[in-house]
Amino acid sequence: GENVEQHPSTLSVQEGDSAVIKCTYSDSASNYFPWYKQELGKRPQLIIDIRSNVGEKKDQRIAVTLNKTAKHFSLHITETQPEDSAVYFCAASKRAAGNKLTFGGGTRVLVKP
Amino acid sequence: GAVVSQHPSRVICKSGTSVKIECRSLDFQATTMFWYRQFPKQSLMLMATSNEGSKATYEQGVEKDKFLINHASLTLSTLTVTSAHPEDSSFYICSASGTGGATTEAFFGQGTRLTVV
Repeated sequence: GENVEQHPSTLSVQEGDSAVIKCTYSDSASNYFPWYKQELGKRPQLIIDIRSNVGEKKDQRIAVTLNKTAKHFSLHITETQPEDSAVYFCAASKRAAGNKLTFGGGTRVLVKP
Repeated sequence: GAVVSQHPSRVICKSGTSVKIECRSLDFQATTMFWYRQFPKQSLMLMATSNEGSKATYEQGVEKDKFLINHASLTLSTLTVTSAHPEDSSFYICSASGTGGATTEAFFGQGTRLTVV
């Protein structure tokens, strides 16, 4: 089955700096890669996603890149703000598996004011 | 976006009792729902895939007789934790995808914090 590795597990950045989280996946058939932000005790919230036919996607301060050959994808947050502090999860899925998501281990991001 | 509602949000039960958690898609039909468990400071681990009108598919290591899943309609899936024990205490969360053809976004319920005492 699919295996998703996520690094780093914790990330502390100064407000205004950029944060980068990296994930690798094992199943070359995976074709959908969402990123979720989860605050304590709450549901994961989709912040951006990318499909395998696209190499990069951007939404304001958030961007995701995908390298299908290397089977890795990354989340970039620019101009970080204290409200960006949360746990971020990457995930991978494929249509053939009924959209079943396999999550990375998560990255706890702390933005220091 | 679509709305998935999960109830209850918190439940405390005694050891040996059973607890039922409901997951509803409010404004779309979900042929497939997923149940995850999340321990503190850990990732979401898929427990099972719930398919409308058929038996659930359980992940390796998940006891199907302990975690009963029923998906009787296109808008409702239930997870029943039977004979609960303290080690079953966790955050349980469901997700649902629509019935579209392409890979579609997953929508999560708000989660259920289960505490077994």
